[in-house]
Amino acid sequence: GQQVMQIPQYQHVQEGEDFTTYCNSSTTLSNIQWYKQRPGGHPVFLIQLVKSGEVKKQKRLTFQFGEAKKNSSLHITATQTTDVGTYFCASLDSARQLTFGSGTQLTVLP
Amino acid sequence: GAGVSQSPSNKVTEKGKDVELRCDPISGHTALYWYRQSLGQGLEFLIYFQGNSAPDKSGLPSDRFSAERTGGSVSTLTIQRTQQEDSAVYLCASSRRTGTDTQYFGPGTRLTVL
Repeated sequence: GQQVMQIPQYQHVQEGEDFTTYCNSSTTLSNIQWYKQRPGGHPVFLIQLVKSGEVKKQKRLTFQFGEAKKNSSLHITATQTTDVGTYFCASLDSARQLTFGSGTQLTVLP
Repeated sequence: GAGVSQSPSNKVTEKGKDVELRCDPISGHTALYWYRQSLGQGLEFLIYFQGNSAPDKSGLPSDRFSAERTGGSVSTLTIQRTQQEDSAVYLCASSRRTGTDTQYFGPGTRLTVL
């Protein structure tokens, strides 16, 4: 099946700093989804990107899908303590499997 | 079976009726998830079963929704007194363990509430 690599694995930032996590695939993805998982919780869907070069924003979060549809990024501007959690990218393939990246665990220091 | 199966594939019901949706996970998978997907939207988590632990019901939108998993295998999602806003595709997924292990999805049940 397809594999989605995600970096970094961990990120510690001071509150107010920016944060970015990246996902890469060796194959072209039909879509990329982003999820946030709070400690002890379950993945919560944030957004889905399907178009080449697509950029979407949700308040302080900016999501991008690469032109070749092989990479994606999530950028958080001016992090807040409420942003703490693990951010996962995932891609749903034609076999209806949702494959998650390994996740980036974000810690925001007050 | 080889994959996750769900039944029925389509269900049309009248507002106010109860419906039951069934999910058969992949044999040996201890984690089972129910999601709801409205048209053009992403997956909305509903409920999660892990082994014999108490289920995580935090995603259920109202007390009209309930689910059970018998014998750690088959799961049934019940919606009582259906409303039109309940219309969606209800997806079941299972994974070997938990968290972000690859989740294998069933084909879904398309529910239409008239």
